[in-house]
Amino acid sequence: DSGVTQTPKHLITATGQRVTLRCSPRSGDLSVYWYQQSLDQGLQFLIQYYNGEERAKGNILERFSAQQFPDLHSELNLSSLELGDSALYFCASSVSRDRARTEAFFGQGTRLTVV
Amino acid sequence: DQQVKQNSPSLSVQEGRISILNCDYTNSMFDYFLWYKKYPAEGPTFLISISSIKDKNEDGRFTVFLNKSAKHLSLHIVPSQPGDSAVYFCAASSSNFNKFYFGSGTKLNVKP
Repeated sequence: DSGVTQTPKHLITATGQRVTLRCSPRSGDLSVYWYQQSLDQGLQFLIQYYNGEERAKGNILERFSAQQFPDLHSELNLSSLELGDSALYFCASSVSRDRARTEAFFGQGTRLTVV
Repeated sequence: DQQVKQNSPSLSVQEGRISILNCDYTNSMFDYFLWYKKYPAEGPTFLISISSIKDKNEDGRFTVFLNKSAKHLSLHIVPSQPGDSAVYFCAASSSNFNKFYFGSGTKLNVKP
């Protein structure tokens, strides 16, 4: 158990809909990262938050947004869903913004299926 | 832009032998490298890391080697066990940017 909790584990929704994925980081971790894994591909970085503020952005579509709340949990919002958005979405957390010496711990992921 | 590459999508090894997983990177700013292991239906779990000031780091059966001039790192598993069968991701980061870059993964199958 990594200590990172993601809900829900599975989500099936229709095209055009909007969903929210939730992540609770490990206790004490200030950084939260979101990754997307499609079709057994690598992990594509989407976005990072540190202590409530956006710190880095990756290949995140404009239809997607995220936020980190004062209690440090984070939500990833996916809207106007398309079939190609079907993927595993992982959240990870780490202690600090500087990851030169810190590994990230991953949740079990949310499997999103868009039909 | 794939800054971290794992060119072998799969590897099959006999139990007890050595498994060598390779990873190449392109960005010379990377100064911290990690390996993660992922079982089906689970999130990646951290395995071992290495800082760019070292060229080798060992943890039990797992050793990571870093060749900075070649921008190459490898993970050696000796001896390999069936429970090591999983997808292995290498990742790289830098204190200059706030994200990890992951490779596409190598699926290791250790045959009993």
